[in-house]
Amino acid sequence: AQRVTQPEKLLSVFKGAPVELKCNYSYSGSPELFWYVQYSRQRLQLLLRHISRESIKGFTADLNKGETSFHLKKPFAQEEDSAMYYCALSAGGYNKLIFGAGTRLAVHP
Amino acid sequence: GAVVSQHPSRVICKSGTSVKIECRSLDFQATTMFWYRQFPKQSLMLMATSNEGSKATYEQGVEKDKFLINHASLTLSTLTVTSAHPEDSSFYICSATSDRGTDEQYFGPGTRLTVT
Repeated sequence: AQRVTQPEKLLSVFKGAPVELKCNYSYSGSPELFWYVQYSRQRLQLLLRHISRESIKGFTADLNKGETSFHLKKPFAQEEDSAMYYCALSAGGYNKLIFGAGTRLAVHP
Repeated sequence: GAVVSQHPSRVICKSGTSVKIECRSLDFQATTMFWYRQFPKQSLMLMATSNEGSKATYEQGVEKDKFLINHASLTLSTLTVTSAHPEDSSFYICSATSDRGTDEQYFGPGTRLTVT
């Protein structure tokens, strides 16, 4: 079965601390993984995707096929990073997305 | 660019009535549009995928006669919740992929449906 698991509902850190938002997936094929972010009162937007191997707003994520993980990391959290983060897996035709439950990141001053 | 709008942003309807939600791509042509449902404090659940001019493909467990999807043009898809019941109250979100060669999904702001 195709599934995305984000074990933490809430991650609370202080400004400047490292952040790691966990994501594990279950998929029999070759996965395409994404991180989406939703800031307060804004729509969902793409943060990064594993195939681009980019760093966006200081965030990076590496696909680990052995551990079936795609954790999102940032070395020094900023207050403006506070948002809801969703890990997603693209499966099937037409790029259908399967979302994890989401993790709320709260960065305190 | 790549903006998706939804109308209305909020709607309240009475049990038994039908309500239509529109999803528009404002500055691009959408090859594919998706409809999601989000319950409070839960994730997005894909309901259906639609392509212009063809019937929508519904996910398992989603009643196609209850949630009617029409993708009449490359910039507009509509979701009609028929004979709405209180349990249909939810946040409905659409997304669209562009005809510009990238498969990124662009999301609308969502529509809050409350059925009384």
